Amino acid sequence: SQQGEEDPQALSIQEGENATMNCSYKTSINNLQWYRQNSGRGLVHLILIRSNEREKHSGRLRVTLDTSKKSSSLLITASRAADTASYFCATNTGNQFYFGTGTSLTVIP
Amino acid sequence: NAGVTQTPKFQVLKTGQSMTLQCAQDMNHEYMSWYRQDPGMGLRLIHYSVGAGITDQGEVPNGYNVSRSTTEDFPLRLLSAAPSQTSVYFCASSRQGSYNEQFFGPGTRLTVL
Repeated sequence: SQQGEEDPQALSIQEGENATMNCSYKTSINNLQWYRQNSGRGLVHLILIRSNEREKHSGRLRVTLDTSKKSSSLLITASRAADTASYFCATNTGNQFYFGTGTSLTVIP
Repeated sequence: NAGVTQTPKFQVLKTGQSMTLQCAQDMNHEYMSWYRQDPGMGLRLIHYSVGAGITDQGEVPNGYNVSRSTTEDFPLRLLSAAPSQTSVYFCASSRQGSYNEQFFGPGTRLTVL
């Protein structure tokens, strides 16, 4: 399997704290994307970082990419209860997308 | 725009039965794909299409067929359902190209008895 893996599998934090989740993947990539999935729903795109980029910001999200280590991290700052969801990284090689196993984030009000 | 729609939302089949999961998008996206999501496994690509008349296999294609006769529709067929195909199925679409986000449908929860 070419799936990536997220770490940790589950994360529980207090509202207002920062949440960091990591993604490791196996092959060379065109880009890496992060998605959020609320319980029972489809995935929603959060942010995309290209293989030649090292860091990207979008609102309260910060993504880093280290292609030499085949890893990425997603930082959510000042978390809110509404951020409670599962987060997945996805890598793209050609026309195929490979999703990681996900991090389940719980933000406690 | 409705985005990506999937029907049905829930389905129960008996082993050996066949069915088609429907997927449609109204964003004129060239790329469409089907995934299955199992606990602890993330999403795995079943089949994808880069345009009408063009389909290709993903990571886990066995037991599934697809066709793409129009830009809008991308149905997934289970020819002879097996309990191992119990899963949640998601359809997604995007503009063609490597740097485009995928838009996902709400999913179909399939149980094969």
